[in-house]
Amino acid sequence: GESVGLHLPTLSVQEGDNSIINCAYSNSASDYFIWYKQESGKGPQFIIDIRSNMDKRQGQRVTVLLNKTVKHLSLQIAATQPGDSAVYFCAESRKWHQAGTALIFGKGTTLSVSS
Amino acid sequence: ETGVTQTPRHLVMGMTNKKSLKCEQHLGHNAMYWYKQSAKKPLELMFVYNFKEQTENNSVPSRFSPECPNSSHLFLHLHTLQPEDSALYLCASSQEQSNEKLFFGSGTQLSVL
Repeated sequence: GESVGLHLPTLSVQEGDNSIINCAYSNSASDYFIWYKQESGKGPQFIIDIRSNMDKRQGQRVTVLLNKTVKHLSLQIAATQPGDSAVYFCAESRKWHQAGTALIFGKGTTLSVSS
Repeated sequence: ETGVTQTPRHLVMGMTNKKSLKCEQHLGHNAMYWYKQSAKKPLELMFVYNFKEQTENNSVPSRFSPECPNSSHLFLHLHTLQPEDSALYLCASSQEQSNEKLFFGSGTQLSVL
């Protein structure tokens, strides 16, 4: 079956390092992708999104890269801080049941930042 | 604060109880969603309402019953749940149901005894 997945369930980095979180997707028809951050006790928060007509998009300290050839999505966080410690989810917009599209999520990567 | 409010934050219920989860969004969005988040599993989409019309999802057991009385409010009615239904239930909204980011509430942590 098709799925949205992540390569690693956990990632540990030192404060100040750059972090890279990866995600593989299998639905080549997906045209919208998004990253969320979820801290303990909270709902997922939007970080950055990208449409399939782009291969890179930058935000504040974050960059999303999309490689449609190998169906790979990555989130890069520059100068990682302790406040970046959270679970990160990728999601793709995919046709869902009878009508329309909806965001389908991967399992999540837990990022731990030590100072 | 995302503009999406869920109540209650925590709920403990027995298998014979009936309870309801409530979600309210103050963003003027037209689409609302229920997701289930279990430990070590991806967020699972349960229900979608777009302009108050529900997209059918036959994979969710009938003991979960959604209701969307208007575009700002969403309910999830629960009855005769099973212990495996214990999870975090997240509500979200988006401007439209199509390739758009979702705004999530903080969720209701449900425990079924």
